[in-house]
Amino acid sequence: ETGVTQSPTHLIKTRGQQVTLRCSSQSGHNTVSWYQQALGQGPQFIFQYYREEENGRGNFPPRFSGLQFPNYSSELNVNALELDDSALYLCASGGRNTEAFFGQGTRLTVV
Amino acid sequence: DAKTTQPNSMESNEEEPVHLPCNHSTISGTDYIHWYRQLPSQGPEYVIHGLTSNVNNRMASLAIAEDRKSSTLILHRATLRDAAVYYCILGDTTSGTYKYIFGTGTRLKVLA
Repeated sequence: ETGVTQSPTHLIKTRGQQVTLRCSSQSGHNTVSWYQQALGQGPQFIFQYYREEENGRGNFPPRFSGLQFPNYSSELNVNALELDDSALYLCASGGRNTEAFFGQGTRLTVV
Repeated sequence: DAKTTQPNSMESNEEEPVHLPCNHSTISGTDYIHWYRQLPSQGPEYVIHGLTSNVNNRMASLAIAEDRKSSTLILHRATLRDAAVYYCILGDTTSGTYKYIFGTGTRLKVLA
């Protein structure tokens, strides 16, 4: 049990739709990162939020956006879904020079 | 652009020690070495991390080479529950953000 909860655990969307994924942490860490993990690959960094501001971004287009709230919960929004967006989406709390706590992920399937 | 290199897969017998190697020749002086593992359909789970000295915790030991260009994760007695993909990761701060750059990891198979 990592104390990081993601919702929903699974969902199916149609190409072109928009999706919002959620992450909440009990750890109180003020840093949250989001990762995309395609099947058979390691997770890829999407972006990071620190004190409600985006604090760094990986090689993902602007249709991937996020929010962090004062209680350190976070959202990942993806617009104009594409088939290649099908993946496991992970959020992680903390993790600089200490342990990062990952959620169990949201499995997104785009059809 | 993973900065670590690991074997794709390894096998071990149950209750025997396992040594999982990792090369990170481009490591900088301030990069921590992190190890996580991931079971199917779960998020990565922290195993251990270190900077320069060898580290031990209840799950594993981390042996770091003197030049820090390689490290080895040691599971002292493998169990069936240790079967997972193990990721050796360097924290990346090149853009001012501390993020993990994952490679494809080592898939550990534990034989009963």
